[in-house]
Amino acid sequence: SAVISQKPSRDICQRGTSLTIQCQVDSQVTMMFWYRQQPGQSLTLIATANQGSEATYESGFVIDKFPISRPNLTFSTLTVSNMSPEDSSIYLCSVEDLGEDTQYFGPGTRLTVL
Amino acid sequence: DQQVKQNSPSLSVQEGRISILNCDYTNSMFDYFLWYKKYPAEGPTFLISISSIKDKNEDGRFTVFLNKSAKHLSLHIVPSQPGDSAVYFCAASGGQAGTALIFGKGTTLSVSS
Repeated sequence: SAVISQKPSRDICQRGTSLTIQCQVDSQVTMMFWYRQQPGQSLTLIATANQGSEATYESGFVIDKFPISRPNLTFSTLTVSNMSPEDSSIYLCSVEDLGEDTQYFGPGTRLTVL
Repeated sequence: DQQVKQNSPSLSVQEGRISILNCDYTNSMFDYFLWYKKYPAEGPTFLISISSIKDKNEDGRFTVFLNKSAKHLSLHIVPSQPGDSAVYFCAASGGQAGTALIFGKGTTLSVSS
């Protein structure tokens, strides 16, 4: 399976600021996803990062709040904008290659908003 | 409305015994099911999966059973080892969800030696 890294691994941010999380894969993959895991909750899909076009957002998530970039087949970023304490979560990227049914996850970014 | 439910938040088992983790789903369009294991401060690690055309899939100590009529799947770990202590997530995909994974809330497994 692909090796996935995320930066930063954790951060503590002030309310109203923005944080960009990077996801790097060691091989080209077709699909990249961004998930959120709020405290005590399951993982929830935020959006699918599409290479060369806008990300596809799930219900409840919007581009202004969570802008996503996917400049190539090995890299994506998720920005959490204008943060509030409710954005405190673990943010995870995952990848899935064409023809496979299994997603593999990065180590996650633990975000705390004060 | 939760489409994937793991009703047991925790499970304690002795080393060497069987661990059975359960998962129920409500969406009959789901056609692919996965189990992930998650240690603290790490991302979920893929364990085992099953397609809806099968009712059992085995990989070493891990076996997943799927009962489509009951919309229920279970993960069996035999024999359980202390290193298996982690949070286990059940996930499903298919139908309108497409390739997106819908996760349960997880079950924390503790294996004591």
